[in-house]
Amino acid sequence: DGGITQSPKYLFRKEGQNVTLSCEQNLNHDAMYWYRQDPGQGLRLIYYSQIVNDFQKGDIAEGYSVSREKKESFPLTVTSAQKNPTAFYLCAVGGQGPYEQYFGPGTRLTVT
Amino acid sequence: GENVEQHPSTLSVQEGDSAVIKCTYSDSASNYFPWYKQELGKRPQLIIDIRSNVGEKKDQRIAVTLNKTAKHFSLHITETQPEDSAVYFCAASKNNAGNMLTFGGGTRLMVKP
Repeated sequence: DGGITQSPKYLFRKEGQNVTLSCEQNLNHDAMYWYRQDPGQGLRLIYYSQIVNDFQKGDIAEGYSVSREKKESFPLTVTSAQKNPTAFYLCAVGGQGPYEQYFGPGTRLTVT
Repeated sequence: GENVEQHPSTLSVQEGDSAVIKCTYSDSASNYFPWYKQELGKRPQLIIDIRSNVGEKKDQRIAVTLNKTAKHFSLHITETQPEDSAVYFCAASKNNAGNMLTFGGGTRLMVKP
């Protein structure tokens, strides 16, 4: 877990602005994921990437975009098309095995 | 797609008692079942996982059981301590493109001293 960083920890934006959340890893793992968590609820998958220059939509991709230009980085952009962007955003990285996922510390986004 | 249901949503136990959290899944092809613990404001931490080729796995005070026929799996915590208080999430995944995890809704466990 220590090899996954997300910045910033807290982010505030005005409605109508796009905002990009950072996720960096130094674990040399291929798979990276973005989840959204709303208060008192579980985690929902936004996007995932299994390899550089490739990514797939998860369950709630509308209003979000991603890129995977480097193995170490998987930034998430929350666009103005996302109707309810205020949430806790968690990045995860695949583990050594084919299934494990380990989470970064998260970014709490508030849009007003 | 996969659907994971988790019960109960809240669980309160006395310190030293056992706690059991149950999950059911819908996709019979799922073959990996992790459990995460999330403390308030923190990231989820993987605490134990089980694969479909075993029925039970134990790690100190924590154990997970899997019944593939019934499509349910459970987390058992024995001798609970106040520091076990957190939200616990179960999840399911299968060996397909992305190895995506589908999460249950979470259980808030409160251990009273």
